[in-house]
Amino acid sequence: DVKVTQSSRYLVKRTGEKVFLECVQDMDHENMFWYRQDPGLGLRLIYFSYDVKMKEKGDIPEGYSVSREKKERFSLILESASTNQTSMYLCASSSVLTARGRETQYFGPGTRLLVL
Amino acid sequence: DAKTTQPTSMDCAEGRAANLPCNHSTISGNEYVYWYRQIHSQGPQYIIHGLKNNETNEMASLIITEDRKSSTLILPHATLRDTAVYYCIVRVLGADSWGKLQFGAGTQVVVTP
Repeated sequence: DVKVTQSSRYLVKRTGEKVFLECVQDMDHENMFWYRQDPGLGLRLIYFSYDVKMKEKGDIPEGYSVSREKKERFSLILESASTNQTSMYLCASSSVLTARGRETQYFGPGTRLLVL
Repeated sequence: DAKTTQPTSMDCAEGRAANLPCNHSTISGNEYVYWYRQIHSQGPQYIIHGLKNNETNEMASLIITEDRKSSTLILPHATLRDTAVYYCIVRVLGADSWGKLQFGAGTQVVVTP
């Protein structure tokens, strides 16, 4: 079974702090994604990566950066946390071995971040 | 973008089949229909996907109409653990949307004893 793990289930940070959210997958997937989920807005893509050291902006990259130094690990960084970044953060991964547009994304359990 | 329309909520009795409808009238010919579900406080879980033909796996069946404008996810014997929000997603293909899943509001399914 695919396993995607996230470093924390719950996190409380103060405004202005630098926040690191880590995601690890154990299926040797090439693609990794970071989403945030907010009530009434659904899931929105922040960044994704299709290879080590490669990254692409999603729909809402402002205020975030990412790092992919190893294939299995994809980090989301909030350089200076703000209260509007309070949200549920979800990491996902998928393989490119299936045809484009058909790959299945597997999600981690999520990190609930509260910025005070 | 191909968008989907789902009912906001649905109740189902435990042990009965749950039929979840989804409309996607603007779907393109090469776009797949995906279903995910999200149990409270967990990440979304993949259920099934299809293009034209009906599909079945250990979790569910997917029935796609011949004109592909709508589909139905069938949970054959709903259990209490199937209580979740179910998302019907049409993959948006294209150079700038590769890999992106566009989740809508989904259908809140409550399975009752």
